[in-house]
Amino acid sequence: QVQLQESGPGLVKPSETLSLTCTVSGYSIRSGYYWGWIRQPPGKGLEWIGNIYHSGNTYYNPSLKSRVTISVDTSKNHFSLKLSSVTAADTAVYYCARVDTPLVSICYMDVWGKGTTVTVSS
Amino acid sequence: QSVLTQPPSVSAAPGQKVTISCSGISSNIGNNFVSWYQQLPGTAPKLLIYDNNKRPSGIPDRFSGSKSGTSATLGITGLQTGDEADYYCGTWDSSLSTLVFGGGTKLTVL
Repeated sequence: QVQLQESGPGLVKPSETLSLTCTVSGYSIRSGYYWGWIRQPPGKGLEWIGNIYHSGNTYYNPSLKSRVTISVDTSKNHFSLKLSSVTAADTAVYYCARVDTPLVSICYMDVWGKGTTVTVSS
Repeated sequence: QSVLTQPPSVSAAPGQKVTISCSGISSNIGNNFVSWYQQLPGTAPKLLIYDNNKRPSGIPDRFSGSKSGTSATLGITGLQTGDEADYYCGTWDSSLSTLVFGGGTKLTVL
């Protein structure tokens, strides 16, 4: 059974960099699929951040692209998110997920982590 | 303001049927496949429907999806109190080059 678990600081200061890791168990990242990050501000809807393939190929939300880096470490079977220059608007629950995108026109998340709350505050 | 438009809320009685709409344009729903997610209170989203109308293993056939033109619909029959949740549609937007979601619909089972 595939499971994903987010980890990282729950509190980040404004202007600093948010760093999270998603550890995958029950499935080897090298075996395929994309892996993604999605966030949900308090009381609001879902926002896609970006996806990464085990080869390192990435797709980012254009609205966040200048501040986002997603990387993968296949030896540790995890992938990571870095979001720089954070503000209060980046306060959200951050989810990692396995992404199935067999075609350009198909993209959905079939396995989700439980999410981790990140608050941006001094 | 979400790229995909969903009604903020819907409600129905136990045992009844409800539909949730998701409206978009040609660059998203019109030319790409739609997925639906269920988010129970305090939990992570869960995939309900993918490729417009397919159900992952373990999702009961009370849940169904359809798409016509630039709109998609999630249907739930035999409503149960355990179905009370927020429901989100999602799809790729070819013009924005981003995965987009609807604003979510809160289902209340009266």
